[in-house]
This record gives sequence, structure tokens and C-alpha cells, in this order.
Amino acid sequence: DTGVSQDPRHKITKRGQNVTFRCDPISEHNRLYWYRQTLGQGPEFLTYFQNEAQLEKSRLLSDRFSAERPKGSFSTLEIQRTEQGDSAMYLCASSVARASGPYNEQFFGPGTRLTVL
Amino acid sequence: GQQVMQIPQYQHVQEGEDFTTYCNSSTTLSNIQWYKQRPGGHPVFLIQLVKSGEVKKQKRLTFQFGEAKKNSSLHITATQTTDVGTYFCAGLRNSNYQLIWGAGTKLIIKP
Repeated sequence: DTGVSQDPRHKITKRGQNVTFRCDPISEHNRLYWYRQTLGQGPEFLTYFQNEAQLEKSRLLSDRFSAERPKGSFSTLEIQRTEQGDSAMYLCASSVARASGPYNEQFFGPGTRLTVL
Repeated sequence: GQQVMQIPQYQHVQEGEDFTTYCNSSTTLSNIQWYKQRPGGHPVFLIQLVKSGEVKKQKRLTFQFGEAKKNSSLHITATQTTDVGTYFCAGLRNSNYQLIWGAGTKLIIKP
């Protein structure tokens, strides 16, 4: 399967614990995005990487959230001191950047469902 | 901040009836994308509209981008059970890479 993969698919944790999720984008895609989605809502943008550089981060994102893409390939999203409100589906997407022209479509992974007890 | 409002939240149709969802942005968009998310699945890209007044068709699906590039619609003719899911619009401003997503319209086929 050459699509976007995410690990784990499900994570149950206790409030106050740290969690880390991994995303492996499509190999030739240099753009990577993290989103959070709750039931009945559209994906909420969290952060964006082009290669290894984190170019944009949502102003709504708490300091407890951090993301990395150290070699411009896979990415990790860490949530420290989790809260019950962090329970959601965390989606990763990737796309190819063009030098010019329309913004490209995003390819989504299956997501990691986080439940904070 | 910028929002993309999408209506209706749900639409129940009989199989064979038409379905339409609408998106409105508070600001001008550089382009708009449409995605479909099946129950339990992840969003899957359908189409991107870039030009003012653009209309694109994919079989029974018709997508429109308004003249002012602030609104868009998706119309499905003669719905089928395979069309079930939630349809999202997602708009992009000129100044950054952040897609602003609507809340989605859930298409439900009445039994």
C-alpha cells in the first residue's frame, strides 16, 4: 500500500499522560499536514510541514501539542499532559508542492483515534 | 477569523432524488476543494475549483465556484446508495497553506 499510513490506529490513555502519533506520507509528497476531527465536524487544521520545515501552526493549538518532521519524511505529533478534550480523530495528510499553479489535493491517512479517560 | 459555513448539516433523500450542499466563506478564497468521507473513513479528494464562476462535472456530480469566489456548491443528480457519506468543502486563502473546512453535509439515503 503506497498511501498515507498512521500509527497507532487507536490510542486509549489516561488524563495527564503523554501520547505520540506517527504519520508516514506518500513517499514523493513533500507537504504534510496534521488535522483533528471530532464527531460531526470537519477536519480542524493543526500544523503544516514542507519538507522538514514547520511552516504553519494553528493559533488555536495549545503548547501541549508539538509536531516534528526531522528528515522531511515521516512526522510525529506529540500531545503532552493529555486532557479529556483532546479526545478526537487525528488525521494526517500529504500532498505534492508545485512551484506554481493551483494548490494540490491532499491525501489522507486512516487517522489515529485518541480516547482520553 | 475566516470561516466556511456549510449547509445543510444533513440531507435525507430517497434513492434517485437529487442532493445539494452549499458553502459560503466570509472572505474571498483562492480556490476551493471538495472531499467525501464515508462513514468510518477518511476524507477523499473529489475536485478543486480555482477560477471565478467555474463549473466542473464528474458524472452525476456538478461543482460550482461563485463569481466572487466566496461560495461553492455540489449537486448530485439521481443519488445512489454509493453516494452515502459526508461531503466537505475546504477553502484556501491566498496568504497561507491552511485549508479552512466546512462542517460537512451528511447525505443519508432513506430506506
